[in-house]
Amino acid sequence: ETGVTQSPTHLIKTRGQQVTLRCSSQSGHNTVSWYQQALGQGPQFIFQYYREEENGRGNFPPRFSGLQFPNYSSELNVNALELDDSALYLCASSSPGGDFATEAFFGQGTRLTVV
Amino acid sequence: EDQVTQSPEALRLQEGESSSLNCSYTVSGLRGLFWYRQDPGKGPEFLFTLYSAGEEKEKERLKATLTKKESFLHITAPKPEDSATYLCAVQGDDMRFGAGTRLTVKP
Repeated sequence: ETGVTQSPTHLIKTRGQQVTLRCSSQSGHNTVSWYQQALGQGPQFIFQYYREEENGRGNFPPRFSGLQFPNYSSELNVNALELDDSALYLCASSSPGGDFATEAFFGQGTRLTVV
Repeated sequence: EDQVTQSPEALRLQEGESSSLNCSYTVSGLRGLFWYRQDPGKGPEFLFTLYSAGEEKEKERLKATLTKKESFLHITAPKPEDSATYLCAVQGDDMRFGAGTRLTVKP
């Protein structure tokens, strides 16, 4: 059983640029969630994808967008990068649990630095 | 609005000194409470899921409990390798994380 993998592990971008982060979900999981974690804080929910459709979104502007592919891998795209976008971006995969949520398994994250 | 507050922010223990971490929450329609461990520069590692008040889960030196307003993570006789940040999260309409408790266990 393969775990959640993210690429790249580190990235440096210039303010105003665009970035794409990638995530391969754990085998058997069809739900992917993305989080932003600033230094010293807990992860903040960006959005979730289930069977290629956005299935929930946190308080993030539209310049944060995503995709999920038929093999359940996912991308996070951020346009017009700002300095405050510098953070650890985490991807988590899970199975849908209906009324009860199931545990999510996280990748190692992508450290994005905007200069 | 759903909210998760963890205390203390940081905790320093001697090896073998047991203690508890607190997670207070407000959520409309709890679908699960989760505990994760996070090492520096890495993604969170799943520890426990709790669904209803009175529920308890154990794993090695860790035990998680749940009431209607808070959860505790009890650490019995900790070792230096238990040093990490422990995160609590609640699933309501979305997943909401606390800021974590940074635990340091000295030998």
